[in-house]
Amino acid sequence: GAGVSQSPSNKVTEKGKDVELRCDPISGHTALYWYRQRLGQGLEFLIYFQGNSAPDKSGLPSDRFSAERTGESVSTLTIQRTQQEDSAVYLCASSLIAAAHDTQYFGPGTRLTVL
Amino acid sequence: RKEVEQDPGPFNVPEGATVAFNCTYSNSASQSFFWYRQDCRKEPKLLMSVYSSGNEDGRFTAQLNRASQYISLLIRDSKLSDSATYLCVVNKGDSSYKLIFGSGTRLLVRP
Repeated sequence: GAGVSQSPSNKVTEKGKDVELRCDPISGHTALYWYRQRLGQGLEFLIYFQGNSAPDKSGLPSDRFSAERTGESVSTLTIQRTQQEDSAVYLCASSLIAAAHDTQYFGPGTRLTVL
Repeated sequence: RKEVEQDPGPFNVPEGATVAFNCTYSNSASQSFFWYRQDCRKEPKLLMSVYSSGNEDGRFTAQLNRASQYISLLIRDSKLSDSATYLCVVNKGDSSYKLIFGSGTRLLVRP
């Protein structure tokens, strides 16, 4: 079946512009996660959704970052007034439920470059 | 101290070799452990979960040592296609969905 999809696959933007990154999770998966991966580094947790609610936003680096999820499906991560340090691959994952043992399936990521 | 630490490598081995990676984690309350594989410029994919009793999946064997808080991955009879970065992943607490990823160990298998 269809996996997690993300768009765009690549985004180049100028410093100070806003960007929106989209994630379509696997159908029926109630939990959705956003991560960031800087070049040569591990994944950093950003935010997690259970249904349309975000009980854990602890990983968002600043108030320039926000995310929403609608219809217990698609999620959008918005970065306002982008900075060069925001350049990274943004990965979305989904799982059937939000549980420690439940496998998270990742999308291909959006590679963001801020000039 | 990082929550999950791995040797970044690279480990450069010939085809057919056996190679082992270790990983240490800092949170003694962690209960779920995984190895993910990440190919260059691709997303991470689950390789295997790691169980207390140790588990094997074909050429891959994972072991957990709770007392020392380390996890290992053994790859036997390495193939060229095993070349990738292997990520050690641990959940943050005893029931937490939040996964903490190591920075990965890079493996290069040469002909």
